[in-house]
Amino acid sequence: DTEVTQTPKHLVMGMTNKKSLKCEQHMGHRAMYWYKQKAKKPPELMFVYSYEKLSINESVPSRFSPECPNSSLLNLHLHALQPEDSALYLCASSPTGTAKGYTFGSGTRLTVV
Amino acid sequence: DQQVKQNSPSLSVQEGRISILNCDYTNSMFDYFLWYKKYPAEGPTFLISISSIKDKNEDGRFTVFLNKSAKHLSLHIVPSQPGDSAVYFCAASAASGTYKYIFGTGTRLKVLA
Repeated sequence: DTEVTQTPKHLVMGMTNKKSLKCEQHMGHRAMYWYKQKAKKPPELMFVYSYEKLSINESVPSRFSPECPNSSLLNLHLHALQPEDSALYLCASSPTGTAKGYTFGSGTRLTVV
Repeated sequence: DQQVKQNSPSLSVQEGRISILNCDYTNSMFDYFLWYKKYPAEGPTFLISISSIKDKNEDGRFTVFLNKSAKHLSLHIVPSQPGDSAVYFCAASAASGTYKYIFGTGTRLKVLA
């Protein structure tokens, strides 16, 4: 299995809703990431988990809450989002101890209404 | 401050010809570089990488060149095919263990049949 699987593929949520994005990989990668990509912009790093511990938080607002329940799963909990948070949310994973390439999931297209 | 720049937002090339995509960076600590291809509504797909100890890496139709003194890398695609039409991102990392990549803004390549 050489894939990173993200669910759901599309999500529409209201500003008062609580929802979660899920990411799963079975490649034995111990580093997992959340990126946010707005239209016509590069992916921007949000969070990095290494060995299930949060190692980088790129000053992301608290309405985004990551969780890494085990080495294969990464969640992003969403609460009280704003319309400007609408974007493609990408999960990625990589082996630790190396800068070699990530494997990206296909993303969740989030629309906040 | 954009540490990784792709100054050409778009490029059109005739099928069978060479496509050359360019990327410049400003941080001299970057020592590992990636190219990704992205189709609409999908996650980025890893293409090819290069570390700073090399100045060239080849994989089939794709070759990446690195000029460290100029802080410049380029991706050559020969011969270009219509299926290569996508947005191409370069990304850079300082391989010091933070696993953090900075992405360029992307170049949209269109290969004309």
